[in-house]
Amino acid sequence: GAVVSQHPSRVICKSGTSVKIECRSLDFQATTMFWYRQFPKKSLMLMATSNEGSKATYEQGVEKDKFLINHASLTLSTLTVTSAHPEDSSFYICSARRPGGGGTEAFFGQGTRLTVV
Amino acid sequence: QQQVKQSPQSLIVQKGGISIINCAYENTAFDYFPWYQQFPGKGPALLIAIRPDVSEKKEGRFTISFNKSAKQFSLHIMDSQPGDSATYFCAASIGNTDKLIFGTGTRLQVFP
Repeated sequence: GAVVSQHPSRVICKSGTSVKIECRSLDFQATTMFWYRQFPKKSLMLMATSNEGSKATYEQGVEKDKFLINHASLTLSTLTVTSAHPEDSSFYICSARRPGGGGTEAFFGQGTRLTVV
Repeated sequence: QQQVKQSPQSLIVQKGGISIINCAYENTAFDYFPWYQQFPGKGPALLIAIRPDVSEKKEGRFTISFNKSAKQFSLHIMDSQPGDSATYFCAASIGNTDKLIFGTGTRLQVFP
């Protein structure tokens, strides 16, 4: 089946530094990818929709300058958390929906646990 | 309008029993309703999904019941097993490519 791969699975960074998280669709082309944030024992909160070749669409309340999204190719989207602070510590998950036909299944990456110290 | 309400928040079931999780939505434009299973530290994985043109879909031990008029759908896990212990999320979206709106999640514990 289709696979979405996310890297790294865990990252610890110092406060004030930036962290890049990669999301790759391994066996299909994804014109659209989605980035979610999940707090412990909470649901997935959509942060932004990543569009290949154009600007990302951010959900209300999400700082676009803090969470930079780049979707440079049909198989790769990146989320950069800039000037990270402890409150940015969270579980970040990407997903992609396979386009075409009846394929509406959304595949999720394995998630990235970000800890800012 | 965009919310998907899920209940219960947590559920304890004995092995072999039936687990039932319910979701309700408001936006009648939603036309795709998946259920996801998530284990700690992992991304969600699709269990089963339904479209509003059918009232029920079954895959193995998992069944979705869909009530379009009530704007509700539910997940039934038959013969629940300890390995089913996880958090379950319902979701909804519009169309084939739109973002998924997730319910609040249900933590299921199945005891031997």
